[in-house]
Amino acid sequence: GNSVTQMEGPVTLSEEAFLTINCTYTATGYPSLFWYVQYPGEGLQLLLKATKADDKGSNKGFEATYRKETTSFHLEKGSVQVSDSAVYFCALRTGFNKFYFGSGTKLNVKP
Amino acid sequence: EAGVAQSPRYKIIEKRQSVAFWCNPISGHATLYWYQQILGQGPKLLIQFQNNGVVDDSQLPKDRFSAERLKGVDSTLKIQPAKLEDSAVYLCASSLEAGGEYEQYFGPGTRLTVT
Repeated sequence: GNSVTQMEGPVTLSEEAFLTINCTYTATGYPSLFWYVQYPGEGLQLLLKATKADDKGSNKGFEATYRKETTSFHLEKGSVQVSDSAVYFCALRTGFNKFYFGSGTKLNVKP
Repeated sequence: EAGVAQSPRYKIIEKRQSVAFWCNPISGHATLYWYQQILGQGPKLLIQFQNNGVVDDSQLPKDRFSAERLKGVDSTLKIQPAKLEDSAVYLCASSLEAGGEYEQYFGPGTRLTVT
């Protein structure tokens, strides 16, 4: 079946620290992979995506690389800001355009 | 461009009561999705519409949940009767078309508490 597993939170970092949020997936076929971000009181927003193996998605300083050999799509950012505090969701999309989301990882960035 | 609108933002009901949620997608978006997000979990797709037809409702508890999208624009999701385990945030999303290359845009959600 299809599923996404991401590291439990909350993750608490100081401003300018390095961020890694782990995400691994199980899927049949060749899914596309996504990271969504949810700020307090708002809906989910697409942060970045990768559609095939070895693709790197990037946006707003965040990056993730589609690793087929390790079935992973870890989210990284070199220097986090207080404004990055949010919940981050890893997701996969199957060939039938059906999404499967991880349980979310809350990030708290302290000044 | 206006985003996906949902109402109400919050709703508290007692078990066995009924409730309805409304969603207005981005103008021109043919595909509309309803997700259920239970606290501490990721969103789970309940139903997907393409225009006013149902594409996927395999995870919709049809004994108590129903949804419609009249005229292929606005949509309503109804729960009747509600159970305690229905407490969740109900998210609506829309995309231009159903193809994988089209991004889904999410509304702010309706937080339902069943007591």
